[in-house]
Amino acid sequence: EVQLVESGGGLVQPGRSLKLSCAASGFTFSNYYMAWVRQAPKKGLEWVATISTSGSRTYYPDSVKGRFTISRDNAKSSLYLQMNSLKSEDTATYYCARRDWDPYFDFWGPGTMVTVSS
Amino acid sequence: DIRMTQSPASLSASLGETVNIECLASEDIYSDLAWYQQKPGKSPQLLIYNANSLQNGVPSRFSGSGSGTQYSLKINSLQSEDVATYFCQQYNNYPWTFGGGTKLELK
Repeated sequence: EVQLVESGGGLVQPGRSLKLSCAASGFTFSNYYMAWVRQAPKKGLEWVATISTSGSRTYYPDSVKGRFTISRDNAKSSLYLQMNSLKSEDTATYYCARRDWDPYFDFWGPGTMVTVSS
Repeated sequence: DIRMTQSPASLSASLGETVNIECLASEDIYSDLAWYQQKPGKSPQLLIYNANSLQNGVPSRFSGSGSGTQYSLKINSLQSEDVATYFCQQYNNYPWTFGGGTKLELK
């Protein structure tokens, strides 16, 4: 059974940093692109980052480019999101998601909440 | 960025009814479209990909159609467990973008 479990969320002050983790199991992690998608409270979904199977290629929307860094450790079946210079608008539940062959997301974790507030 | 506009934003329907949710893209996305279901307090689940392909394990009462800029999700014979918010997502061009969601409730 595919499982994705995020961790690392919490309350952080504006301008500070936070690193999220996602532990994957139930599939060959190194064979899949992975992604982070977020959802602000009572709002829609926003794609945040994608990483290739080897980690050599990463993709971001302009809203987080230069502030967020996605990475992975295939030996540990783990995905990460380093978030720097956090803003109040980054407040959201962050989901770890597995990308299928085409760039839709076939499995999602339960999410971890990040609140950016002073 | 490609803008995805869903309609209606909310919908109330009776058990056994057929429901249609629309998704309009701001430009042609060549059927690179997925639909997700998000139940209250849960993470999204993939229902449909490539506009009309049913994800494994998803009930056959769900179907997708469309092309170009116009797409729709159809739910036949509405069940109580279908109460959820539904999102479309385009993956034709970066950045991948989602529709604003359609909240489906029981009448």
